[in-house]
Amino acid sequence: SQKIEQNSEALNIQEGKTATLTCNYTNYSPAYLQWYRQDPGRGPVFLLLIRENEKEKRKERLKVTFDTTLKQSLFHITASQPADSATYLCALSGGSYIPTFGRGTSLIVHP
Amino acid sequence: NAGVTQTPKFQVLKTGQSMTLQCAQDMNHEYMSWYRQDPGMGLRLIHYSVGAGITDQGEVPNGYNVSRSTTEDFPLRLLSAAPSQTSVYFCASTPSLAGSYNEQFFGPGTRLTVL
Repeated sequence: SQKIEQNSEALNIQEGKTATLTCNYTNYSPAYLQWYRQDPGRGPVFLLLIRENEKEKRKERLKVTFDTTLKQSLFHITASQPADSATYLCALSGGSYIPTFGRGTSLIVHP
Repeated sequence: NAGVTQTPKFQVLKTGQSMTLQCAQDMNHEYMSWYRQDPGMGLRLIHYSVGAGITDQGEVPNGYNVSRSTTEDFPLRLLSAAPSQTSVYFCASTPSLAGSYNEQFFGPGTRLTVL
């Protein structure tokens, strides 16, 4: 069955460092992959989308890579700040284009 | 634009009661969907709609009904609430599912408790 895996353990990093979050998937041929940010008590907010034929996408301090051979996406936040603390969700869309979400990884940036 | 709005924000029901969670968007989006989010389970798709008059089931549709009579509104009905339906419910929309712009816009959520 299709599976999306994100590290359930929170990622703790120091302010100014680069945070790297992982999204692995199995039994999927994704057309594209998205990353969302979710703050406590709020709905997810879209950050970035990367398509199957793209290797890397950047937006300000954010970078996403997509390796369809490894079946993995990495999400990087450079020069992290305490305000970046949140839960980050990845979502994959296959042929139907309906996104399926991972469980999310909590990021905590310490000042 | 108000974006995606959901009402109510909080609701407590007793087992067996019915209710409707409201969702509206003012962005003229074709695609709308309902998710539930439970601790450790992530977002799970309940129902979705690709346009007015068209709805379909997602991963966890049992116990829920939807209708889409207008582009703007996509209400979710709980027919006979059960404690297992205690969750946070999110409505989302996007311009077109198969289009080039696939960002999902989420509402603020409805926190439902069924006693």
